[in-house]
Amino acid sequence: AQKITQTQPGMFVQEKEAVTLDCTYDTSDPSYGLFWYKQPSSGEMIFLIYQGSYDQQNATEGRYSLNFQKARKSANLVISASQLGDSAMYFCAIGELGYSTLTFGKGTMLLVSP
Amino acid sequence: KAGVTQTPRYLIKTRGQQVTLSCSPISGHRSVSWYQQTPGQGLQFLFEYFSETQRNKGNFPGRFSGRQFSNSRSEMNVSTLELGDSALYLCASSLEPGPGNYNEQFFGPGTRLTVL
Repeated sequence: AQKITQTQPGMFVQEKEAVTLDCTYDTSDPSYGLFWYKQPSSGEMIFLIYQGSYDQQNATEGRYSLNFQKARKSANLVISASQLGDSAMYFCAIGELGYSTLTFGKGTMLLVSP
Repeated sequence: KAGVTQTPRYLIKTRGQQVTLSCSPISGHRSVSWYQQTPGQGLQFLFEYFSETQRNKGNFPGRFSGRQFSNSRSEMNVSTLELGDSALYLCASSLEPGPGNYNEQFFGPGTRLTVL
């Protein structure tokens, strides 16, 4: 069974600052993928970034980067230069490679203030 | 390219009724997954379909069922609705799963079901 833990129910950050959202995981699968999704108040889930368990380098996508520490089983999301539009729920998820099923964490609500 | 579409967007039902939700995946995507999102339980996996076959099923009672058609469109059905079934039901589509692949799942806007 796979499990995702997001310990921060809410985070506040000022515009233009960087913020780190924490995610730890547990899995017995030898190969897996870690995902971050953003969910604005509209409800739609927006894919942000992915990290494969065998990827040597941390993933980056624009202002998003994933700080992957396999030994510690953590996959933190770093958002640089926060923008007001970044205010949303952020979900960390894990999936077994080759399958489409994702297990999500409880999420972190990020509020960006001017 | 059109995104994942879900119909209806909003639905109000009463206890004991049944409901059918529809999901049309992105063109070319053959895998469809369903998730239930509630404030208490968060996002929970319901089922995954690929080529009209259920590949995986979450821990939900038999009142929850689904199917996938030859054009990859999918429906999920909930019978004998309970108050606790009130939730946002999200559908996601992805390309064919395979060993060593990760499959970015593209989510639809969801169907918000309210059970009175």
